[in-house]
Amino acid sequence: DTAVSQTPKYLVTQMGNDKSIKCEQNLGHDTMYWYKQDSKKFLKIMFSYNNKELIINETVPNRFSPKSPDKAHLNLHINSLELGDSAVYFCASSPGHAEGLAILDTQYFGPGTRLTVL
Amino acid sequence: RKEVEQDPGPFNVPEGATVAFNCTYSNSASQSFFWYRQDCRKEPKLLMSVYSSGNEDGRFTAQLNRASQYISLLIRDSKLSDSATYLCVVNVVGGGADGLTFGKGTHLIIQP
Repeated sequence: DTAVSQTPKYLVTQMGNDKSIKCEQNLGHDTMYWYKQDSKKFLKIMFSYNNKELIINETVPNRFSPKSPDKAHLNLHINSLELGDSAVYFCASSPGHAEGLAILDTQYFGPGTRLTVL
Repeated sequence: RKEVEQDPGPFNVPEGATVAFNCTYSNSASQSFFWYRQDCRKEPKLLMSVYSSGNEDGRFTAQLNRASQYISLLIRDSKLSDSATYLCVVNVVGGGADGLTFGKGTHLIIQP
């Protein structure tokens, strides 16, 4: 049973294209996240999404947009892909939630999507 | 100064030995702390939370030193399967998306 799943696992695309990565969690968690892990293995949170409240890391370009059709899904759309977007993108979820800002407690990660922009 | 700092290693340790590494954090408002483990080309997984009084889980012991702003992880009787990258995670509750900060990880290699 996969708790947090992502598709695709690998994504190779040309610069300038628009792509999406899907994420689903079957843990019944209230909060979901997207992370980027670059070539230096530095893991950085991009977004958290809780109860229709989106919290954005200010350093993330607005070419990146998360979309949540329901509590169990948080997809990541990327417009006008750039070379520097090449990285592994992890989706995660956590059980915690609160009014306002999310409580960022134990993270359950998906297997990652390796994005390569040519 | 970086928010969360770890020695990247690699730490090469013989099987059965005890190994310890630290992680320092800069935000004194940090409220919760975790160690995650990440195997090569895999996702991070929670190893253990770090409590103020220190906590132990089998061969693993985590400690928090608020005065000096660091957390530590001790692994006793190391196994080959302990080889991985260990990520220190520091959280400021209510800090929004920037509240959760991962260190770059310490790479541990257990040698037979």
